[in-house]
Amino acid sequence: GDSVTQTEGPVTVSESESLIINCTYSATSIAYPNLFWYVRYPGEGLQLLLKVITAGQKGSSRGFEATYNKETTSFHLQKASVQESDSAVYYCALNSGGSNAKLTFGKGTKLSVKS
Amino acid sequence: AQTIHQWPVAEIKAVGSPLSLGCTIKGKSSPNLYWYWQATGGTLQQLFYSITVGQVESVVQLNLSASRPKDDQFILSTEKLLLSHSGFYLCAWSLQDWGYEQYFGPGTRLTVL
Repeated sequence: GDSVTQTEGPVTVSESESLIINCTYSATSIAYPNLFWYVRYPGEGLQLLLKVITAGQKGSSRGFEATYNKETTSFHLQKASVQESDSAVYYCALNSGGSNAKLTFGKGTKLSVKS
Repeated sequence: AQTIHQWPVAEIKAVGSPLSLGCTIKGKSSPNLYWYWQATGGTLQQLFYSITVGQVESVVQLNLSASRPKDDQFILSTEKLLLSHSGFYLCAWSLQDWGYEQYFGPGTRLTVL
């Protein structure tokens, strides 16, 4: 079946430092799945951060970027300068289609940003 | 704007007791609906999906059932809770195409004792 592996947390970064959360995927039923990053801020629900549906393309939102790399089957999340408000749990996910449109998630990476 | 509401926010239940969790989506007609579950320390996994009223498909067997009595309502239930049912339950909706992103509700935290 499909699987997603991402950086194990927790990850602690100082404010204004750069961030990368690694994500690699394996999709067994489709060559090019849709890829997503979701985020859960403290006390809030799961929100879509960004998505990319075309291999080779980059998605961006709120200063975060992720590039769909089909050669390395990766979708790493990056930010040049984090803020304390970025503290949250980040989930990488893929959707490989089918009638159930199942999202396959990674385990999540808890990010803490120190001021 | 679309809103998704889940109830209750949290539940503490005894093993063997019944359970009913609910989800309502407003502002979107005929969405696809999904139930996901995350055990403590585990990974979010899809339990059920529904593409139309009255039709629900099971993805994972966890001794749970789901129903869609109305276009905007999705119910998760069981007659007898197990300890293993503890976790975080999320309802989600999407447009009727698998390529579209899914939008999640705030979730229900279930503790089975």
